[in-house]
Amino acid sequence: AQTVTQSQPEMSVQEAETVTLSCTYDTSESDYYLFWYKQPPSRQMILVIRQEAYKQQNATENRFSVNFQKAAKSFSLKISDSQLGDAAMYFCAYRSFGDMRFGAGTRLTVKP
Amino acid sequence: DAGITQSPRHKVTETGTPVTLRCHQTENHRYMYWYRQDPGHGLRLIHYSYGVKDTDKGEVSDGYSVSRSKTEDFLLTLESATSSQTSVYFCAISPGYEQYFGPGTRLTVT
Repeated sequence: AQTVTQSQPEMSVQEAETVTLSCTYDTSESDYYLFWYKQPPSRQMILVIRQEAYKQQNATENRFSVNFQKAAKSFSLKISDSQLGDAAMYFCAYRSFGDMRFGAGTRLTVKP
Repeated sequence: DAGITQSPRHKVTETGTPVTLRCHQTENHRYMYWYRQDPGHGLRLIHYSYGVKDTDKGEVSDGYSVSRSKTEDFLLTLESATSSQTSVYFCAISPGYEQYFGPGTRLTVT
C-alpha cells in the first residue's frame, strides 16, 4: 500500500521569511498525483497545490511552490514571504487510481 | 466553495447509540468519500461511493456503514457508537483527481 510520510510534526517560521515542509511517499506506480492541503484552526481542508507525476515542471501557486523529486519520491512545499494567515496544519497527499492517502501532517506556526 | 455541507457539525452521543452523519453536495459529482481525522494519522478513508447505491470500503471501515440513495446525499452510520469512534469526520467530493472537503463534523462518544 502507498504510504505518505511527513517527518516534521511541527515547524515554525518568522513572518515574511521562507519555510519548506517535507513529504516523502512510497509507491510502485508511475502515474499519480500529489497534493498539499492546508487546515487552519477553522478545520476546513483547503487544497493548496497539486502536482501531476508526469510533469517535470514544479507546480507554483502564488507564494506556494513545490519541489518534486520523482526518483527520490519526495514532494516538499515551499512557502515564501510567510504570513500570519499561513499558520495551519499542512497535509501532504498522494493519489493514483485508488484511494487518496494522507500524511500525518505538519503544524506550521508563524511568528510575528 | 465546493458546495459541500455536513450535518450535524457537532454531536455528543453515548456509547451504544446509533449515529448518522449526513453529507450533501450541490454539484452532482459521482464520487463521494467519508474520512475520519485523528491526531497523528492524518485523514483515513472509511467508505466511498461511486454512484447511487454503489459504495465500497476504505481503510478503516469496521463499525461504519454508508448509504447513497440520491446523488447529492451520502450518509455515514455508526450502528452502535464506541469511544474509539470519537473523531472529526470529513466528507469529500472528487471532480477529478483532487478532492474537496466539507467543513467536518466533530463527534464525541462518551
